[in-house]
Amino acid sequence: NAGVTQTPKFQVLKTGQSMTLQCAQDMNHEYMSWYRQDPGMGLRLIHYSVGAGITDQGEVPNGYNVSRSTTEDFPLRLLSAAPSQTSVYFCASSYGREAYYEQFFGPGTRLTVL
Amino acid sequence: AQTVTQSQPEMSVQEAETVTLSCTYDTSESNYYLFWYKQPPSRQMILVIRQEAYKQQNATENRFSVNFQKAAKSFSLKISDSQLGDTAMYFCAFNYGGSQGNLIFGKGTKLSVKP
Repeated sequence: NAGVTQTPKFQVLKTGQSMTLQCAQDMNHEYMSWYRQDPGMGLRLIHYSVGAGITDQGEVPNGYNVSRSTTEDFPLRLLSAAPSQTSVYFCASSYGREAYYEQFFGPGTRLTVL
Repeated sequence: AQTVTQSQPEMSVQEAETVTLSCTYDTSESNYYLFWYKQPPSRQMILVIRQEAYKQQNATENRFSVNFQKAAKSFSLKISDSQLGDTAMYFCAFNYGGSQGNLIFGKGTKLSVKP
């Protein structure tokens, strides 16, 4: 049981490049989400999904795209990277969006945009 | 809107001593959950302890305990017998199970345990 996995662990991009951050979980969780963590800030919600085929925006969705074609995978796409997207990105999953379900986090991806 | 405030950006404690990290939150919800997460230098987010708002008894997990004051909207974390491995960022978080289902985080407290 690998839990929540994220790839890559580190990435450097140039302004304007696109890339996809991968997230997968093997716990059959319906709810998955992406957060970003900036210095001096807590984690902020980018996008979330309550099941395959269903996604929605969180607090800071601009510049990011998501899809959920399977229960296991929830990739985050940066369409045209900007320096403001330099951050650490975390994927999380849980059985459901109800508050009593524990959310499990991946190890994070540190992204630098030059 | 729900907010979580951690007023101590940094704290330090001597090994084996006790330290308390503060957290306050604001919500109009009556039922919700509160969490403390630990983030060591490895970056991994680790759940330390959770509290259900409708439970009056304070949660305890080994050396970690909380002081939950619902009326005051306060949720502090006490670490007893501090160990070097407790050195980390600690985040207070809130979840009321709204439509987005997300955790709402404070800005964190950086705890250093000194030998």
